[in-house]
Amino acid sequence: EADIYQTPRYLVIGTGKKITLECSQTMGHDKMYWYQQDPGMELHLIHYSYGVNSTEKGDLSSESTVSRIRTEHFPLTLESARPSHTSQYLCASRRAGRDEQFFGPGTRLTVL
Amino acid sequence: KNEVEQSPQNLTAQEGEFITINCSYSVGISALHWLQQHPGGGIVSLFMLSSGKKKHGRLIATINIQEKHSSLHITASHPRDSAVYICAVGNTDKLIFGTGTRLQVFP
Repeated sequence: EADIYQTPRYLVIGTGKKITLECSQTMGHDKMYWYQQDPGMELHLIHYSYGVNSTEKGDLSSESTVSRIRTEHFPLTLESARPSHTSQYLCASRRAGRDEQFFGPGTRLTVL
Repeated sequence: KNEVEQSPQNLTAQEGEFITINCSYSVGISALHWLQQHPGGGIVSLFMLSSGKKKHGRLIATINIQEKHSSLHITASHPRDSAVYICAVGNTDKLIFGTGTRLQVFP
């Protein structure tokens, strides 16, 4: 059973608002990932982290930012939400040296 | 051309049917993953394999490294198997995802 959590699960917000999507894991995993998934489309990596104070941009350009101050916590922030940010955001983690990734339940974001 | 291709894109079946979903990839990989995504959006890892075959209940996954091809089989399908099945390949530290196969199993 994977112990990775995301909040909120659903968020509807107006344009221009600042939002933070939370992701936490209790497995002590070093590596954490944020994926973006538009409806009916494949997941794309937007951010990843190999440990505390390590963050990198993924393959898909994103206006969001991330931080990794604690091993278990990897929040994603949008400073000014726009309708183009409407999507599902999935967080994942894995232990260094292991291939298996564990996924959170996702946050479905709608920006009006 | 996508680096990970799945077929079919959509699949409907009657309860009890044997189902096969295929995945082909064009990059070098360390492992291949089969994932299940239900309408709520959350993803569950079904299999991770780098060679041969794995079985879990009614699910079987195979991989042919030389041919860069994997299949996911579901025996005696059930309506609760209805979901999107995603193939993903591990390349260095990242996963590359297919677009998924949407499966609907009718009673």
